[in-house]
Amino acid sequence: AQSVAQPEDQVNVAEGNPLTVKCTYSVSGNPYLFWYVQYPNRGLQFLLKYITGDNLVKGSYGFEAEFNKSQTSFHLKKPSALVSDSALYFCAVRDLSRGSTLGRLYFGRGTQLTVWP
Amino acid sequence: ETGVTQTPRHLVMGMTNKKSLKCEQHLGHNAMYWYKQSAKKPLELMFVYNFKEQTENNSVPSRFSPECPNSSHLFLHLHTLQPEDSALYLCASSQSQGWQYFGPGTRLTVT
Repeated sequence: AQSVAQPEDQVNVAEGNPLTVKCTYSVSGNPYLFWYVQYPNRGLQFLLKYITGDNLVKGSYGFEAEFNKSQTSFHLKKPSALVSDSALYFCAVRDLSRGSTLGRLYFGRGTQLTVWP
Repeated sequence: ETGVTQTPRHLVMGMTNKKSLKCEQHLGHNAMYWYKQSAKKPLELMFVYNFKEQTENNSVPSRFSPECPNSSHLFLHLHTLQPEDSALYLCASSQSQGWQYFGPGTRLTVT
């Protein structure tokens, strides 16, 4: 069965420090992987995706994510955190195996990132 | 967020009321979705429409009734809701298996 795990409910980091938000996944076929961000009282905004190719994916606002097939992980990273990065981050996976439902994304529970000034 | 709009942004309704949520996408996408986001719970996919046809209903109670008159519009009709239905309802759209664009959501409170 397809699933996504975000092991940390909360991540706290000081401004200027590097940040990592963890995500592991389980799919039966090849994964499409996504990161979304949600600011208070807003919908989810797309940050970046991995489909194929380079394992290091660069996205919006200076974020990047590294796909690791052997560890089935897709951790979100940023070299230098900003206070404005504070938000709720969701990892999601779409299974590309035969018979998978069009458009079905499996989301993690979300990780609240707080960046302290 | 600018490509998918949702109205109203906030809604308070009694358990005996009937109301509707509206979603419109201006991106030319063929697929549209309803999600429910409750506090402390994972995002729940409710319905999926592809070219106006419902392709997925994830065991959603019948008090939620979706309608998709065309690929740009999606409605969620609500009647006789329960307090536990209070949540943020998010609409999204995508072009086939591309990433999903989300609207800002409707914050629903059932009293």
